[in-house]
Amino acid sequence: QKEVEQDPGPLSVPEGAIVSLNCTYSNSAFQYFMWYRQYSRKGPELLMYTYSSGNKEDGRFTAQVDKSSKYISLFIRDSQPSDSATYLCAMTAGNKLVFGAGTILRVKS
Amino acid sequence: DTEVTQTPKHLVMGMTNKKSLKCEQHMGHRAMYWYKQKAKKPPELMFVYSYEKLSINESVPSRFSPECPNSSLLNLHLHALQPEDSALYLCASSVQGGQPREQYFGPGTRLTVT
Repeated sequence: QKEVEQDPGPLSVPEGAIVSLNCTYSNSAFQYFMWYRQYSRKGPELLMYTYSSGNKEDGRFTAQVDKSSKYISLFIRDSQPSDSATYLCAMTAGNKLVFGAGTILRVKS
Repeated sequence: DTEVTQTPKHLVMGMTNKKSLKCEQHMGHRAMYWYKQKAKKPPELMFVYSYEKLSINESVPSRFSPECPNSSLLNLHLHALQPEDSALYLCASSVQGGQPREQYFGPGTRLTVT
């Protein structure tokens, strides 16, 4: 079993939809939880990071962490075609990041 | 400014060549990383430098040789690579090595080994 599970998709939604991206994890020692967005042939871009259980909002993005269920989510409101990318969750284990497989998101206009 | 720069953007090299990838950051970060990413896969950690010292080598073959000349620069020296080493090579940095919650990536160097 992988330490971090993430559905690779692809997830296809119409423009304006609310998108929910999720990861589950098995290691209780993970402390920080990040979401990266990666466009094709580009480096990952840090969107948000969270530490404690609860929600953190930044513009159209909301990151949610539930440590008791070992489950994290990223919500994107009013999705745009420019949001089409691969979204990677990542978690800190000591001085390393452990990545999920990434979810391919396609927002159709 | 959260910019990490990498050069070159693209590199094609033969199996007998020697080349180097370069990475630079001016955010005052003291931890720097090399990752390898294959198509449709997440980044795979290769090396971690913390305060200019190599702290993690993820059992990377010796044909990859990292170097950290100073706190802003990170190099990856390549020699006698194999075609399966073709990938996107990403550099990243964070404030410090422990619990790198804000790790910023560069755009990557797309390497093709012929």
